[in-house]
This record gives sequence, structure tokens and C-alpha cells, in this order.
Amino acid sequence: EAQLVESGGGLVQPGGSLRLSCAASGFTFSHYCMNWVRQAPGKGLEWISYISNTITITHYADSVKGRFTISRDNAKNSLYLQMNSLRAEDTAVYFCARRICYSDICFFDTWGQGTLVTVSS
Amino acid sequence: DIQLTQSPSFLSASVGDRVTITCRASQGISSYLAWYQQKPGKAPKLLIFGASNLQSGVPSRFSGSGSGTEFSLTISSLQPEDLTTYYCQQLSSFPYTFGGGTKVEIK
Repeated sequence: EAQLVESGGGLVQPGGSLRLSCAASGFTFSHYCMNWVRQAPGKGLEWISYISNTITITHYADSVKGRFTISRDNAKNSLYLQMNSLRAEDTAVYFCARRICYSDICFFDTWGQGTLVTVSS
Repeated sequence: DIQLTQSPSFLSASVGDRVTITCRASQGISSYLAWYQQKPGKAPKLLIFGASNLQSGVPSRFSGSGSGTEFSLTISSLQPEDLTTYYCQQLSSFPYTFGGGTKVEIK
């Protein structure tokens, strides 16, 4: 069974940095494109970043572009999100999610449990 | 960027009711739309992909329809465990976007 487990969340001061990790198991990690999605307290879902399985393509939401960097280590079955210049509005639960595509129909079929990031002084 | 507008934001219904949630895209996205269910404190769960394809293991009372800019998620007979929040997501182009969510509550 495919499983994703996030870690690395916590309390950080505005302007600070944090690195989130997502450990994958139960599937061939290197075959799948991965994403980060976040959810501010009491709010809806916000997609924030994507990385292709071959690491050659990345995409970001405007809200995090230039501050966050997505990466992966296929040998370690791990996905990462480096978050710099953090702001109060980055406070959220961060989920990693696997993308599957059948022909060109894609969707997020497997999600982690989420890790909470709180940006506050 | 493609905006998704879900309606209604809140829905009150009774167990056994037929419930429909609508998702409207700001531009055509063919059938590149997914629906998720999210319970409090949990990760989203995939219900429907490709606008109308039921994910394995999801009860058949859930169905999706639509293409282009208008989509809907229908629950044919609402069950107590369905009282939670639902989101649509477009995967036609980056940035992938989600609708604002629909919370289904007991009447």
C-alpha cells in the first residue's frame, strides 16, 4: 500500500526557514510526480508546488515562488520543501501528495497526514 | 490562472437526500477535474477523477459529471459519514487550483 509521511513542521519566526520532508513507501517513488498542498487553519486547500519524477520540471504557486524550493531524492524515496523568508500567512498544514496520470487524466491519489507549520514571533 | 468556483459553500441536508455540488471553471478544462472529500483533521480523499470516474473503493452513491467549465458532484442518498467538506481541483494546467470547498451539514 502506498504511504506518504511528512515531517519537519514546527514553530518558526517570521523571516525564518524550515525544511519539510515526505517519506514515501509502498510504491516505486521514482516513477511518480509529486506535489505539496497546504491548508491554512479553517481554510481551503491550496496547491503550492510540483516536481516531475525525473526532477527536471518544477512548478510553484505565485504565493511561494522565489521563497520555497521543491526537491526530491529518488534514491531515498523522499520529497522535500525548503521554505525560506517565511511569513505569518504561510501558517498551515502542509501535505505531500502523489500524482497519477492515466493518459492525460491526472489526479492526486495518495496523500500524507500533513505536518503543521506555524509562523509566529 | 484557472479559477474554480464551488457552490454552494454550505449545504444543509438530511440523511437520504440527493445532494449536488457544482464547480465552475473560469476557462475550459475539458474533463481534467477531480473531486476530494476531507474530514476534519484528515488528509483529502480522492472520490472522482477525470470529472466522472469513480475512484476504486468509493461508494457508488457518489458520481461526477460535466466537462468544459461546468461540473457537478452528486451524492444520490446522503449518509451520516458523508457530512463533511468537499473540494474540486483542476489539473488542466499549472498552477493546479482547488475550489473553495463545500461543507455538507445535517439539516
